[in-house]
Amino acid sequence: NAGVTQTPKFRVLKTGQSMTLLCAQDMNHEYMYWYRQDPGMGLRLIHYSVGEGTTAKGEVPDGYNVSRLKKQNFLLGLESAAPSQTSVYFCASSQPPRNQPQHFGDGTRLSIL
Amino acid sequence: AQKVTQAQTEISVVEKEDVTLDCVYETRDTTYYLFWYKQPPSGELVFLIRRNSFDEQNEISGRYSWNFQKSTSSFNFTITASQVVDSAVYFCALSESGSARQLTFGSGTQLTVLP
Repeated sequence: NAGVTQTPKFRVLKTGQSMTLLCAQDMNHEYMYWYRQDPGMGLRLIHYSVGEGTTAKGEVPDGYNVSRLKKQNFLLGLESAAPSQTSVYFCASSQPPRNQPQHFGDGTRLSIL
Repeated sequence: AQKVTQAQTEISVVEKEDVTLDCVYETRDTTYYLFWYKQPPSGELVFLIRRNSFDEQNEISGRYSWNFQKSTSSFNFTITASQVVDSAVYFCALSESGSARQLTFGSGTQLTVLP
């Protein structure tokens, strides 16, 4: 009963390094999302995908790239990490119809030094 | 643009007290969806409830109840007889009738229930 699985759970990077966060869901959901959570600001949408091979920008996309080559996976990339990207990252998935809730992973805590 | 405001940043209550968490939203859509999520200290996000804009019926689930009022654009959450395990950050979120149902979250309310 995995649901949404995020890898890794914790990571520390140096400024300028690159990395990829992996999100995998086993619920056959069409939609997938990446959010970041910063203190006092709730969750903000970075990028999302409405299906395999499609991606779109959310509220705060700068500095991130995404790919959805397989329906079950949604990757979030940081090409050149910056301290401002220190945050907790959450992946979520959902399925039509439109009122279905999003299911979240447990989060990835990322620190950029 | 859609917006969700949770004006209460932190609330502390003593166990068994009732507590209401406020949520006010803004949207231009006539069809939209409202959600509440709970984030316990362990960090995961737990879905609690959803409400459609065309359904103003209030809902009760055990010690939890929700009051949805379109006239005041509010979707408030009440916990009756609070327990220590209710301590968490609670988020209200809004989804408009767009193509991807993106959620716009409020900034959250940290609820602490003291024994």
